[in-house]
Amino acid sequence: EPEVTQTPSHQVTQMGQEVILRCVPISNHLYFYWYRQILGQKVEFLVSFYNNEISEKSEIFDDQFSVERPDGSNFTLKIRSTKLEDSAMYFCASSGRTPANTQYFGPGTRLTVL
Amino acid sequence: QKEVEQDPGPLSVPEGAIVSLNCTYSNSAFQYFMWYRQYSRKGPELLMYTYSSGNKEDGRFTAQVDKSSKYISLFIRDSQPSDSATYLCAPTTDSWGKLQFGAGTQVVVTP
Repeated sequence: EPEVTQTPSHQVTQMGQEVILRCVPISNHLYFYWYRQILGQKVEFLVSFYNNEISEKSEIFDDQFSVERPDGSNFTLKIRSTKLEDSAMYFCASSGRTPANTQYFGPGTRLTVL
Repeated sequence: QKEVEQDPGPLSVPEGAIVSLNCTYSNSAFQYFMWYRQYSRKGPELLMYTYSSGNKEDGRFTAQVDKSSKYISLFIRDSQPSDSATYLCAPTTDSWGKLQFGAGTQVVVTP
């Protein structure tokens, strides 16, 4: 069964450093998303991406964040200058041409900012 | 008022019992209502969804939506210890937009 994959599973970085989180969505999907979940809190929407551009972004997704689909398979989230409060699980999701918004999530990348 | 609210639990039930979970929401524009299951430190796993008001059944799972009262329910019949997880409701306004997650209800099924 197709699945969303994410790398790395765990990333440790120093405050102020840049990180890139990588995702491979399900191959025939068209809509791509990033969410995050701070430990003990709810899953929060960051950004959605369709047709090579951002469809929607939350207020969390400020100028320090960017997304890219550099080729036909990868979808990346870049945090330019990490802060302590960026420590969280980051989930990538994708959905296809379905009547409903059936988003399938990857296993997540745990980002720890020291 | 939070857009989506869930009782955090934990909800503890004996194996074989029916688990009843619910969610309330405030945004009347929500049209699709998703239920996800999340094991500790894992990604959300889609269980099922409903569109607009009504019921939907999938194996041991039944989802109900009452848009008039903005109330969403998920029932798990014949619960198993492997059903122990956090259950997230996640409504959305359209077929491609962001999911608005509740905080999740932790369920513990004891053998």
